[in-house]
Amino acid sequence: DTAVSQTPKYLVTQMGNDKSIKCEQNLGHDTMYWYKQDSKKFLKIMFSYNNKELIINETVPNRFSPKSPDKAHLNLHINSLELGDSAVYFCASSQGLGGSSYGYTFGSGTRLTVV
Amino acid sequence: KNEVEQSPQNLTAQEGEFITINCSYSVGISALHWLQQHPGGGIVSLFMLSSGKKKHGRLIATINIQEKHSSLHITASHPRDSAVYICAASIIQGAQKLVFGQGTRLTINP
Repeated sequence: DTAVSQTPKYLVTQMGNDKSIKCEQNLGHDTMYWYKQDSKKFLKIMFSYNNKELIINETVPNRFSPKSPDKAHLNLHINSLELGDSAVYFCASSQGLGGSSYGYTFGSGTRLTVV
Repeated sequence: KNEVEQSPQNLTAQEGEFITINCSYSVGISALHWLQQHPGGGIVSLFMLSSGKKKHGRLIATINIQEKHSSLHITASHPRDSAVYICAASIIQGAQKLVFGQGTRLTINP
């Protein structure tokens, strides 16, 4: 299936731990994104990469570090997790920086719960 | 104030009704997106508009660039249309990014 796939789908972890979320797309897109959806369902961009180059880095604590080994993968590593990091994290991809005429393709989300 | 505002925040209607969800934005945009998020959580891109109108099945999206306003219409609504509909603006601030509205929770009762 052509898609944006994220793993894991659910992640429960204790405060202070370090965790990673992986994202892969097989759509041949050149741009990938991480979005955070808070408890009020509000989505906000965190990072975007175009051809492995960091394009957008919003005001995100430096405990969050994205890594793009190639243009099909964009992983998110989070150090020293805090309660406030609990959210749903969505990976997405697009062809081109503006979303192209086909818009964006989203992964199914990773629900992170920090306890 | 958010750069992208949606109304209403919640909408409940009966099956068959014509639905309109509105989106206003306050910044210059390169495109306007409508997304659908089902109760299961997945997000699907419905439309990307830079002008005029687009139609896909029972869904119609329009945009008025001068008024900085977009609408999403659903004709002959059905319970399976129940979802959160999110408006998002592609803006350029250094680089292009999406800025999201707060979403409209639509419930269609049979």
